[in-house]
Amino acid sequence: ETGVTQTPRHLVMGMTNKKSLKCEQHLGHNAMYWYKQSAKKPLELMFVYSLEERVENNSVPSRFSPECPNSSHLFLHLHTLQPEDSALYLCASSRRADINLKVGEKLFFGSGTQLSVL
Amino acid sequence: TQLLEQSPQFLSIQEGENLTVYCNSSSVFSSLQWYRQEPGEGPVLLVTVVTGGEVKKLKRLTFQFGDARKDSSLHITAAQPGDTGLYLCAGAEGSNYKLTFGKGTLLTVNP
Repeated sequence: ETGVTQTPRHLVMGMTNKKSLKCEQHLGHNAMYWYKQSAKKPLELMFVYSLEERVENNSVPSRFSPECPNSSHLFLHLHTLQPEDSALYLCASSRRADINLKVGEKLFFGSGTQLSVL
Repeated sequence: TQLLEQSPQFLSIQEGENLTVYCNSSSVFSSLQWYRQEPGEGPVLLVTVVTGGEVKKLKRLTFQFGDARKDSSLHITAAQPGDTGLYLCAGAEGSNYKLTFGKGTLLTVNP
């Protein structure tokens, strides 16, 4: 148990569907992240929020829409996805966005949502 | 964009064997982390190395950061089935959240 909970664990959707992924962290952290993990590719950072403000949008298509209503919750709204968007979507949190690895700060990941787009 | 190359991509060994996996880059990182991701779960941090030449041990796992801070290795002694998972390295340039991840080494330890 990492303190970061993602739902649903699995999701199958058609290209015309609208769905949302949810992430909740119970760690009192101020920064939250969405990552995409595809087969044979490195983890890709999608979005970063610090104190509910988006500080990074890593050239992600507009069919992915993040929402951070408070520092404990993060959503990823999905609309008209493509089959190539099928992947594991991971949420993470950290104490602050400008984490300092040299003093032991780190990312805490959720278990992910395995998304299949048909 | 800094790239991290991990090798081998796949490794299947028998319980009790030793192994080493590598993480290499042409770029210098201020610090580097190793994560393990078990099937159906997210990555979990194993260690952070910050000094060139640094060696850290975590039970049967030994991590080394290269002198030039461009590469790292993870050595596992007497591997166990519980070590099975995807081992990811991630490097940071400076002090920020923009970790660059490698593709990982998928390790299977057979009983």
